[in-house]
Amino acid sequence: EPEVTQTPSHQVTQMGQEVILRCVPISNHLYFYWYRQILGQKVEFLVSFYNNEISEKSEIFDDQFSVERPDGSNFTLKIRSTKLEDSAMYFCASSGLSGLPVSNQPQHFGDGTRLSIL
Amino acid sequence: EDKVVQSPLSLVVHEGDTVTLNCSYEVTNFRSLLWYKQEKKAPTFLFMLTSSGIEKKSGRLSSILDKKELFSILNITATQTGDSAIYLCARDFGNEKLTFGTGTRLTIIP
Repeated sequence: EPEVTQTPSHQVTQMGQEVILRCVPISNHLYFYWYRQILGQKVEFLVSFYNNEISEKSEIFDDQFSVERPDGSNFTLKIRSTKLEDSAMYFCASSGLSGLPVSNQPQHFGDGTRLSIL
Repeated sequence: EDKVVQSPLSLVVHEGDTVTLNCSYEVTNFRSLLWYKQEKKAPTFLFMLTSSGIEKKSGRLSSILDKKELFSILNITATQTGDSAIYLCARDFGNEKLTFGTGTRLTIIP
């Protein structure tokens, strides 16, 4: 069964450094998302991406964050200058098979990248 | 407020028991309600509910949505230790974002 893959599984970074989290969404999916889950808290939406642009973003997704689809398969989340409070599990998700009604297609999640800021 | 509330927060039962997990929400304009199972890492998709009153089933799991009363339930019959996980409920506004509840931590004792 196709799946969303994320790398690395764990990233440890010094505060103030830039990090790039990588995701390969399910092939032929059209919508891509990033979520985060701080330890012990809810999964929170960060950003959605469709047709090579951001379609919606949350208040969390400030100027420190950016997303990119640099080629036909990868989808990245960059945090420019990390803070301690950025420590969390970051999940990538994708949905929306081409040719099918998007409203009836669930989001599928990767295993996440655990980001630890020191 | 855009809120999804799940109950109970935690549940411990014996193998073979039946459990019912609850999810309620406050805003009516959404496309679907989804259930996910989160074991160690990725939330794994279980059900997507778009219509009120229509039960969805997958093996020992079933779920139903009540749009009038703004809630959904997830039932698991004849529970097994492999059902131990956090069960997440989320609302979908239509491929823009999912709003998740805090989850119910289910523990099955052998």
